Amino acid sequence: AQSVTQLGSHVSVSEGALVLLRCNYSSSVPPYLFWYVQYPNQGLQLLLKYTTGATLVKGINGFEAEFKKSETSFHLTKPSAHMSDAAEYFCAVSDRSGTSYGKLTFGQGTILTVHP
Amino acid sequence: DTGVSQDPRHKITKRGQNVTFRCDPISEHNRLYWYRQTLGQGPEFLTYFQNEAQLEKSRLLSDRFSAERPKGSFSTLEIQRTEQGDSAMYLCASSLLAEAKSRTDTQYFGPGTRLTVL
Repeated sequence: AQSVTQLGSHVSVSEGALVLLRCNYSSSVPPYLFWYVQYPNQGLQLLLKYTTGATLVKGINGFEAEFKKSETSFHLTKPSAHMSDAAEYFCAVSDRSGTSYGKLTFGQGTILTVHP
Repeated sequence: DTGVSQDPRHKITKRGQNVTFRCDPISEHNRLYWYRQTLGQGPEFLTYFQNEAQLEKSRLLSDRFSAERPKGSFSTLEIQRTEQGDSAMYLCASSLLAEAKSRTDTQYFGPGTRLTVL
């Protein structure tokens, strides 16, 4: 079974500071990994994804994530936080077996707060 | 650009009533997923369809829950005899699964239907 652990349910940063949201996964096969963002009372928006190839993945709004197989991690970063980045962020792993192919397993989410 | 739409956005009902939600996927997407999200948690998989076929159902989906996708287009999720524990955000997502399974399908989510059971 696959699983995702997001370390830290709340992260607070100052505007302009580095954003680092941590995600570790467990998967029996090479994983497909995703980061989604959710604003209050809205659905999820895809930030970026890793399938194969380059391990450093760039997404929208200046976010990027690096797949590290040896550490089973897929941490999300942004060099300089903006007030509009305040939201909840979810890491997810995609199932790649049989009829469950494509099903997403999500972490519990990290709420990012950005202070002026 | 038409994304995934869900109706209604909010539903308040009394315990024991039946409710039905609708999801309209992105045109030509062959896969449609339902997830449930409770407060403070990540979304949890409920079920999914490839075209009109329902391929998997989670153990979370009790007998009171039923989903359909007639003709492989829109989908409905019905909850019978609602309970307070059913209160949650119900999310729908759609994707286009490429025939070559070396590439995963990217799921695009709708805005969700928030259900409150009193």
